[in-house]
Amino acid sequence: DQQVKQNSPSLSVQEGRISILNCDYTNSMFDYFLWYKKYPAEGPTFLISISSIKDKNEDGRFTVFLNKSAKHLSLHIVPSQPGDSAVYFCAASEMDSSYKLIFGSGTRLLVRP
Amino acid sequence: DVKVTQSSRYLVKRTGEKVFLECVQDMDHENMFWYRQDPGLGLRLIYFSYDVKMKEKGDIPEGYSVSREKKERFSLILESASTNQTSMYLCASSIFGGYSNQPQHFGDGTRLSIL
Repeated sequence: DQQVKQNSPSLSVQEGRISILNCDYTNSMFDYFLWYKKYPAEGPTFLISISSIKDKNEDGRFTVFLNKSAKHLSLHIVPSQPGDSAVYFCAASEMDSSYKLIFGSGTRLLVRP
Repeated sequence: DVKVTQSSRYLVKRTGEKVFLECVQDMDHENMFWYRQDPGLGLRLIYFSYDVKMKEKGDIPEGYSVSREKKERFSLILESASTNQTSMYLCASSIFGGYSNQPQHFGDGTRLSIL
């Protein structure tokens, strides 16, 4: 049973517009969430994280929103650029098992020029 | 910048062989991890190590073992390779954060094919 779900396998967005990637989780003990970006033939690169004491975290063009009551997080990319085209994974962990990340299955983002 | 280096990008082995995948990190991180990535399944943890000679099983340890003799090096061993172990293998490391979560940093992966 997947504890972290990314229900959209792919997303296509026009350059300059907003990209919204979604992630749902089932384990209420998760309190730390991360987004990773992965280009083909490279390892995942850490993008941004958020702890459960916050509901929003920003880093430049990237913002992560956390809705604990809905067990939902999202990654917003504004404005989207062609170089953002990659697979995005969300991941979650529990405070007392901070080493153990549970990953979603990934969403492939294509930003069209 | 953290550098996690996996010894091979591509590897082809035969069923029944003993296979070694090597990983080295240069940031003195306490924690090291081995994952496999399969389409539609995301990344799944095989084993992790929080110190030299220490290891813990992840979610899918069957058919694998690990070795950590030095802090910077973490090896994944396929005792007797089988075709269902054909996959992308990713090594990661992170600093020990106590009760403070720390992101993991990944190598570029080894695509392993078992024939």
